[in-house]
Amino acid sequence: KAGVTQTPRYLIKTRGQQVTLSCSPISGHRSVSWYQQTPGQGLQFLFEYFSETQRNKGNFPGRFSGRQFSNSRSEMNVSTLELGDSALYLCASSLQGQGETQYFGPGTRLLVL
Amino acid sequence: EDQVTQSPEALRLQEGESSSLNCSYTVSGLRGLFWYRQDPGKGPEFLFTLYSAGEEKEKERLKATLTKKESFLHITAPKPEDSATYLCAVQTRDGRGGSEKLVFGKGTKLTVNP
Repeated sequence: KAGVTQTPRYLIKTRGQQVTLSCSPISGHRSVSWYQQTPGQGLQFLFEYFSETQRNKGNFPGRFSGRQFSNSRSEMNVSTLELGDSALYLCASSLQGQGETQYFGPGTRLLVL
Repeated sequence: EDQVTQSPEALRLQEGESSSLNCSYTVSGLRGLFWYRQDPGKGPEFLFTLYSAGEEKEKERLKATLTKKESFLHITAPKPEDSATYLCAVQTRDGRGGSEKLVFGKGTKLTVNP
């Protein structure tokens, strides 16, 4: 069974730009969650999507947004990038939601210059 | 506010030297506690889920235990390949909307020297 895949694996952007990251969950998994990981803050929850609807949201500004498609693939978008957005962005999938074991992808490393 | 605290932040062991990692939590309603292992440049890899105080789970050299306030990850006779960051996450339910979320600790970086 293929695992969670994320593209791209690495990105370099400049301040003010926007970026879109993609996540393909494990086949059959309908819940996709996004996390930001930094050395100082650790893993922080961004949002969760289930059946194309945002079901839960963390404490991040509106510059961070996401969506989920009918095939459960998900994208997250960050607009007007700031230096502090440099981080590892992780996607995790599960069958029904955060109440179950989540399986993580390898992450997208974003560097904002 | 829900909080998960892991200690120590970093731990160095000699191969074969057993030890324990701690995860303490203050949450409004614990529904489950997860342990993950993360290698550099990779996503977290699931290890265990614990649901109730007194529960224990084992996998090779690792054993996770849970009390009402904390969880321990015991590592018996570790090997260099056990070197990784170990993350603890607590599953809670938002009382307002009823949605569930995971709150992660910052992890313990374990280094096992040969």
